[in-house]
Amino acid sequence: QKEVEQNSGPLSVPEGAIASLNCTYSDRGSQSFFWYRQYSGKSPELIMFIYSNGDKEDGRFTAQLNKASQYVSLLIRDSQPSDSATYLCAVIPEGGTSYGKLTFGQGTILTVHP
Amino acid sequence: DTEVTQTPKHLVMGMTNKKSLKCEQHMGHRAMYWYKQKAKKPPELMFVYSYEKLSINESVPSRFSPECPNSSLLNLHLHALQPEDSALYLCASSPTASNNEQFFGPGTRLTVL
Repeated sequence: QKEVEQNSGPLSVPEGAIASLNCTYSDRGSQSFFWYRQYSGKSPELIMFIYSNGDKEDGRFTAQLNKASQYVSLLIRDSQPSDSATYLCAVIPEGGTSYGKLTFGQGTILTVHP
Repeated sequence: DTEVTQTPKHLVMGMTNKKSLKCEQHMGHRAMYWYKQKAKKPPELMFVYSYEKLSINESVPSRFSPECPNSSLLNLHLHALQPEDSALYLCASSPTASNNEQFFGPGTRLTVL
């Protein structure tokens, strides 16, 4: 079983719609959760992090965490073509917090079409 | 300054060459990281430096040799690489190793001939 799982996509949404990206993780003791955006040929860019159950909003982005279900999601409201990228979910497993050992999912490709 | 910089942007080297990748940050971060990323794959952690000391080596072959001369600089020395080592090499930093919000540099695209 993979430690962090994401649907590879591609996920295609029309401009202005809500894009919903999902991620599940296997280590129940995981404490820290991150979403990175990576444009083709570029490096990952940190867009959201969440540590507590519930929702966290930042502009058009909302991260949702449910530790009981071992599930973290990213919602992008009013999607724009410029949001088209690969979105990487990353988790710090239990015991890894002190060492900065991020575990990445395989990434979901998002395409926003005009 | 909220940037992590990496040089060079591109590097082509032969299997007998010795080269170095350089990473620099001026955010006062005390943890720095090297990752390797192959096409259509997520980044793979190679090394973690915390307060200028190596804290994690993810069983990386000895042809990759990291160095942290000071809190702002991180180098990756390369020697006798193989063609399968061709990849995007990413440097990242975070305030500390336990504050895991990692910020990535633009990467060095390495090709080994």
